[in-house]
Amino acid sequence: EPEVTQTPSHQVTQMGQEVILRCVPISNHLYFYWYRQILGQKVEFLVSFYNNEISEKSEIFDDQFSVERPDGSNFTLKIRSTKLEDSAMYFCASSEGAGDPYGYTFGSGTRLTVV
Amino acid sequence: QKEVEQDPGPLSVPEGAIVSLNCTYSNSAFQYFMWYRQYSRKGPELLMYTYSSGNKEDGRFTAQVDKSSKYISLFIRDSQPSDSATYLCAMTFMNSGYSTLTFGKGTMLLVSP
Repeated sequence: EPEVTQTPSHQVTQMGQEVILRCVPISNHLYFYWYRQILGQKVEFLVSFYNNEISEKSEIFDDQFSVERPDGSNFTLKIRSTKLEDSAMYFCASSEGAGDPYGYTFGSGTRLTVV
Repeated sequence: QKEVEQDPGPLSVPEGAIVSLNCTYSNSAFQYFMWYRQYSRKGPELLMYTYSSGNKEDGRFTAQVDKSSKYISLFIRDSQPSDSATYLCAMTFMNSGYSTLTFGKGTMLLVSP
């Protein structure tokens, strides 16, 4: 069964450092997303991406965050200068499109720890 | 008022019990309703998906939506220890081809043998 792959599974970084989280979406999916889940909290939407541009972003997705699809397979989330409060699980997801969420598939996540 | 409310539990039941998990929501624009299962430190895995009021059954799982009351439920029959996980409700609406999901906080379910 097709899956969304995320690397690394766990990343520890020092406050103020830049981190890049990587995702390989399902190959025929057209829409890509990042969500995050702070420990004990809800899964929260960060950003959606389609046709090489951001479709929508939440209030959380400020200037410290950026996304990129550098090639035909990878989708990355960059945090420029990490803060302690960025510590969370970050989930990548992809969907086929047309607004139908049935094919919405999440990766296993990257646990980001900022120290 | 929070958009999606879900009792975090934990909910502890013996094996074989019928489990009822619920969410309420405030935004009447939501059209699609999903239930995800999440194991510790893993990504959400889609269990059930529906877009109309009423019931939808898949094996031991039944999803129920009442749009007039803004209330959704997931029933698990003959619960098994392997059903122990956190169950997240999520909902969305059509938006130019993509969907941003709004999640509940999740209910932790523990099924004891």
